[in-house]
Amino acid sequence: ETGVTQTPRHLVMGMTNKKSLKCEQHLGHNAMYWYKQSAKKPLELMFVYSLEERVENNSVPSRFSPECPNSSHLFLHLHTLQPEDSALYLCASSQVQGTYEQYFGPGTRLTVT
Amino acid sequence: EDKVVQSPLSLVVHEGDTVTLNCSYEVTNFRSLLWYKQEKKAPTFLFMLTSSGIEKKSGRLSSILDKKELFSILNITATQTGDSAVYLCAVATNAGKSTFGDGTTLTVKP
Repeated sequence: ETGVTQTPRHLVMGMTNKKSLKCEQHLGHNAMYWYKQSAKKPLELMFVYSLEERVENNSVPSRFSPECPNSSHLFLHLHTLQPEDSALYLCASSQVQGTYEQYFGPGTRLTVT
Repeated sequence: EDKVVQSPLSLVVHEGDTVTLNCSYEVTNFRSLLWYKQEKKAPTFLFMLTSSGIEKKSGRLSSILDKKELFSILNITATQTGDSAVYLCAVATNAGKSTFGDGTTLTVKP
């Protein structure tokens, strides 16, 4: 498989559930990102990892917990979410953090009931 | 606070028309400006611009950056229905931060 993959593609969870989103990149990139895209809002950067180290956390609530075990994998652990957290969650990677073009995965459409 | 403003927010044209999408920005320590096309799900990369006045071209799409006036334009000539998408502008800084605009929704009618 090539590019950036995300699983699952769709997720419905209750407010008391715990789930995880997975992202994998096959491009040999060193930086990975989590974005949130809500309806009628611009892309919101959530977390940035560079060489497996978290370098940016844009005031994201603690109910979202990222994990980057290696440069190819990125997880977003979810617990006690709110209905307003329903959105498209996009993972991206780039060769180097920040200034290079980012390649996006297909996203996970999350619905919190 | 870094800011990226795109205009228009939406645009409806007919096949064969030429469109110009705008992106203006105010950021600290500008490094590059990037254009993406987002159809159904994931954005796909179009252009990265770092220098003023140098046009980048890919088929019917072209883009140019003006670092003095702090804006960029994306031109699409001879539009096709397949060009219908949201076009996103993002600005990256030397600190490694990226800020996205709201996007321009382009609809091309047959």
